[in-house]
Amino acid sequence: GAGVSQSPSNKVTEKGKDVELRCDPISGHTALYWYRQSLGQGLEFLIYFQGNSAPDKSGLPSDRFSAERTGGSVSTLTIQRTQQEDSAVYLCASSLVGGTSGVFGPGTRLTVL
Amino acid sequence: AQTVTQSQPEMSVQEAETVTLSCTYDTSESNYYLFWYKQPPSRQMILVIRQEAYKQQNATENRFSVNFQKAAKSFSLKISDSQLGDTAMYFCAFVAYSGAGSYQLTFGKGTKLSVIP
Repeated sequence: GAGVSQSPSNKVTEKGKDVELRCDPISGHTALYWYRQSLGQGLEFLIYFQGNSAPDKSGLPSDRFSAERTGGSVSTLTIQRTQQEDSAVYLCASSLVGGTSGVFGPGTRLTVL
Repeated sequence: AQTVTQSQPEMSVQEAETVTLSCTYDTSESNYYLFWYKQPPSRQMILVIRQEAYKQQNATENRFSVNFQKAAKSFSLKISDSQLGDTAMYFCAFVAYSGAGSYQLTFGKGTKLSVIP
C-alpha cells in the first residue's frame, strides 16, 4: 500500500484480557519498529525487526508483551493479561533499511478498563 | 545511553510569525542522525526535517530549518511564516549508528505548538 496501516484504530479491553495489534508496513520495507506513546509522553521503543535477523526485543516492558513478523511483512504485537498501565497509543513504523527515519502508521489507541 | 531533551512543553506563535523549538541531546556517538517529527491531533507522525551529524550545513525544508550545533549538542527547529496547519506536537528524535544497535529512535517528550490566528 501507499503507507503503513495499523488495525484496529481503537481498542477498548478489560483488564486481564489479551489483545493483538496489527501493522502492515510499506511493501519492500525490511525494517519494522513498534513504539508506545503514553499520554503526554514521547515515544518509547518496544521492538525492532530487520529482515530475517533476530528481532531486538530490548524495549519490551515485560514478558506479557511479544511480537512477531510473518514473512518479513505483517507484524502483530500481542499483549497478554492487559493492565491499566498498558493504555497508550501503539505506533508502528517501517523503513527500507534500519536507521532511516521511517514512515509511521496512524497508531492503535489501546484503552484498558 | 542517548537522551533527548525538549525544554519547552508548550509554545504559541502568531500566524505568519517565526518560532523556534529547542532540543538538546546527549550521546557519545560520532555518527548519528537527528530528526524533527510533527504529530497533529490525527496521531500521524510526520517527518519534518532530518540532519546528518557529519554535515555542517543546516538542513532546510521550505519554511522549516534547523540550527545544528554539534559541539553544543543542540538541534533547534525554526518555523517561518507559521500557518494554522502547523499546530501540532513536535518531537525531536535521534538515532546513532554504532554498528551494533537496532537503530531505534530516541524521542524527546515533545513541544505542543499552537498557531494563533
